[in-house]
Amino acid sequence: DAGVIQSPRHEVTEMGQEVTLRCKPISGHDYLFWYRQTMMRGLELLIYFNNNVPIDDSGMPEDRFSAKMPNASFSTLKIQPSEPRDSAVYFCASSLTRREVNREQFFGPGTRLTVL
Amino acid sequence: QKEVEQDPGPLSVPEGAIVSLNCTYSNSAFQYFMWYRQYSRKGPELLMYTYSSGNKEDGRFTAQVDKSSKYISLFIRDSQPSDSATYLCAMSATGGYNKLIFGAGTRLAVHP
Repeated sequence: DAGVIQSPRHEVTEMGQEVTLRCKPISGHDYLFWYRQTMMRGLELLIYFNNNVPIDDSGMPEDRFSAKMPNASFSTLKIQPSEPRDSAVYFCASSLTRREVNREQFFGPGTRLTVL
Repeated sequence: QKEVEQDPGPLSVPEGAIVSLNCTYSNSAFQYFMWYRQYSRKGPELLMYTYSSGNKEDGRFTAQVDKSSKYISLFIRDSQPSDSATYLCAMSATGGYNKLIFGAGTRLAVHP
């Protein structure tokens, strides 16, 4: 199993530009999570999906952030327009209901976003 | 006040030392307690998991949960340079599928 795949690994963009982050969860997993990690705020949950349906988006900071999961093997997190304060590492994680007993989430390698 | 509090460190110890990492929490509904390890420029990975109270041991690692004090600990015996990483505690309530609440993470450096 390849694990959770994220792309790009690094993204540098200018303020005001649109940024799209991509995630492929582990095959067969039915939960998908998007997190943001910064030194100041730690690891924050932005949104999570169950069977491709958004369940809780209360962590999405502003309307500039949106996430979609068109099918079980692909999700995107979009920031439009981007701002310097969006600079962070964005992680995607997936989980399987049968593993609900221990709530383990499998994380991808992250996308390091820098907004100039 | 955050639901989960964790001292960010950094913590620096010599090789072979016993390391104690801790988190406190305020939500009495938390029943699932986890420790994730995150190496530099990598995603977090699950290290230890405990349901409800008690201790759990796995090799050099021991996780403890004291629900009466709302306090969890991770002990690392005979620490190795390869243990140098950030350790994040994470918790979740029972009932349905609830999101994990992460601590800030403690940076640990083990020196040879």
